[in-house]
Amino acid sequence: QKEVEQNSGPLSVPEGAIASLNCTYSDRGSQSFFWYRQYSGKSPELIMSIYSNGDKEDGRFTAQLNKASQYVSLLIRDSQPSDSATYLCAVNPSGGNEKLTFGTGTRLTIIP
Amino acid sequence: GAVVSQHPSWVICKSGTSVKIECRSLDFQATTMFWYRQFPKQSLMLMATSNEGSKATYEQGVEKDKFLINHASLTLSTLTVTSAHPEDSSFYICSARDGGQGGETQYFGPGTRLLVL
Repeated sequence: QKEVEQNSGPLSVPEGAIASLNCTYSDRGSQSFFWYRQYSGKSPELIMSIYSNGDKEDGRFTAQLNKASQYVSLLIRDSQPSDSATYLCAVNPSGGNEKLTFGTGTRLTIIP
Repeated sequence: GAVVSQHPSWVICKSGTSVKIECRSLDFQATTMFWYRQFPKQSLMLMATSNEGSKATYEQGVEKDKFLINHASLTLSTLTVTSAHPEDSSFYICSARDGGQGGETQYFGPGTRLLVL
């Protein structure tokens, strides 16, 4: 059973629209949640971190966390072609384990 | 801030040779670093967790005698692929945990592409 699940996509969104990326996790005690962006052939780059229920905004990016539903999402407003990448959801499970558990990633394509 | 570097970015070697990859946290101290491997179009796979001054913890199925990890200082961890073979060709990525910011945030290095001929 996968601990962090993402729709692998590909997800295609028109330029200027809102891209919505979703992630569910199985460990109810998880406390820390991260979104990374990975361009093809490159290493992951941290986009957002979120620790509390609710929304966290940073520029065009908004992370949303709902611990009761074990659900975390990333919204990208005014999508740009440069946002085309694979987005990885990562969760730090409970128990003091330092390892992050990654989802398999959602491939996002912004259509000009 | 929170910059992680890796060296080299590319390496091509002959089968049977050993390759050392360095991972450095440039502007923070990293008590914990992680080594990942990623094959084309596949997910990140955690190989091992490296703690400064202690032995690395390897994930199931990763040969510790083949992938030697040393974390001698708070800013440097090295991965040595011993007696490399073509099947070891992959994208090796390290990450470092910045304990000063939120405690769990991991920042990735740019990765090292290894091609074993």
